[in-house]
Amino acid sequence: AQSVTQLDSHVSVSEGTPVLLRCNYSSSYSPSLFWYVQHPNKGLQLLLKYTSAATLVKGINGFEAEFKKSETSFHLTKPSAHMSDAAEYFCVVSGMGYSSASKIIFGSGTRLSIRP
Amino acid sequence: DAGITQSPRYKITETGRQVTLMCHQTWSHSYMFWYRQDLGHGLRLIYYSAAADITDKGEVPDGYVVSRSKTENFPLTLESATRSQTSVYFCASSGLAGGYQETQYFGPGTRLLVL
Repeated sequence: AQSVTQLDSHVSVSEGTPVLLRCNYSSSYSPSLFWYVQHPNKGLQLLLKYTSAATLVKGINGFEAEFKKSETSFHLTKPSAHMSDAAEYFCVVSGMGYSSASKIIFGSGTRLSIRP
Repeated sequence: DAGITQSPRYKITETGRQVTLMCHQTWSHSYMFWYRQDLGHGLRLIYYSAAADITDKGEVPDGYVVSRSKTENFPLTLESATRSQTSVYFCASSGLAGGYQETQYFGPGTRLLVL
């Protein structure tokens, strides 16, 4: 079965400093990987996705992620945090070849806090 | 441009009652999904639909029923609500053939409290 692990439940950084949100995945097939963001009391919005093209994926609002197959990782980064980045971030893996119950798996989320 | 909407946004019900959560999208997307979000679990897939009249179970389908008679609507029914079904429910849709491997567009969510 597929799985995804977000290594930090909470990350706190100062405004203007780099952001790193870590995600490891497990998949027997070539997966699609996503990062979604959820602001308080809102639905989820796509930040970026990897679907077997370039391993460095650029998303919205200055975020990017690098697919590293050897490390089974898909960490999310941003060079300089902004107050508006404070939100919950979800790493998601999906792929063909799995039963319907595990076709798409969400990580448990990382809450990003930004200190002024 | 309404996108994807859910109703009601908030619902309080009692154990044993039937509850239906509505989801409507205006993009004619083929795929639609229902998730529940609970603390510590992220989002978990309840059911999804690849097209009208085609539905399949996700990770946590027990106690839920779905139907999809029209492409734009995907209602989720709790046949006999239990306290463990207290959660925030999100509907999502995605277009074209990629389905769950494509970008999903999420509704604003329904907060359900079962007393």
